[in-house]
Amino acid sequence: NAGVMQNPRHLVRRRGQEARLRCSPMKGHSHVYWYRQLPEEGLKFMVYLQKENIIDESGMPKERFSAEFPKEGPSILRIQQVVRGDSAAYFCASSPVTGPSGYTFGSGTRLTVV
Amino acid sequence: SQQGEEDPQALSIQEGENATMNCSYKTSINNLQWYRQNSGRGLVHLILIRSNEREKHSGRLRVTLDTSKKSSSLLITASRAADTASYFCATDVTGGGNKLTFGTGTQLKVEL
Repeated sequence: NAGVMQNPRHLVRRRGQEARLRCSPMKGHSHVYWYRQLPEEGLKFMVYLQKENIIDESGMPKERFSAEFPKEGPSILRIQQVVRGDSAAYFCASSPVTGPSGYTFGSGTRLTVV
Repeated sequence: SQQGEEDPQALSIQEGENATMNCSYKTSINNLQWYRQNSGRGLVHLILIRSNEREKHSGRLRVTLDTSKKSSSLLITASRAADTASYFCATDVTGGGNKLTFGTGTQLKVEL
């Protein structure tokens, strides 16, 4: 069991480019959560997805950010037209059932916008 | 202050000493969890304490929860240099859906 896999580990993008972050949940987990961690801060919830459904996107910025969890393949967090303020660590967690009691976190993707 | 705020922000101790970190929160919770994060790495789940529990142990970790004061503490006994990390509390807020609310963390440094 490889755990929650995130890639890439590090991503550098120029302002205005698109960033795509991928998350493969643990085997048997059908619930995926994305969190963002700004430097020197705690994690902030972004979005909760199940296969082919967005359940809670209350933490997602209204523009430029989107997430999906298709029937096949990893969950994708997509940031369009990145700005310097998007530089952060993005963590994905998965759980076998709904609710945050059984989270397993991935190692994160560190996005740097130059 | 925000939901899940740790105190102190930073703590430096000698190896072998105990380290105590506190977390305060604002609203009713289902449970409270503590995580460790090594520099530049992901989060490791340490312990979960439910709202109807008052104390929980796991190895060298002891967690207490006082729901009347809306606070929790994490005690690491006989600290080791390998315990150097940031420690975060996270609350599963009642009616908060399926997300955790994290505090800003305590940076612990254990010196030899």
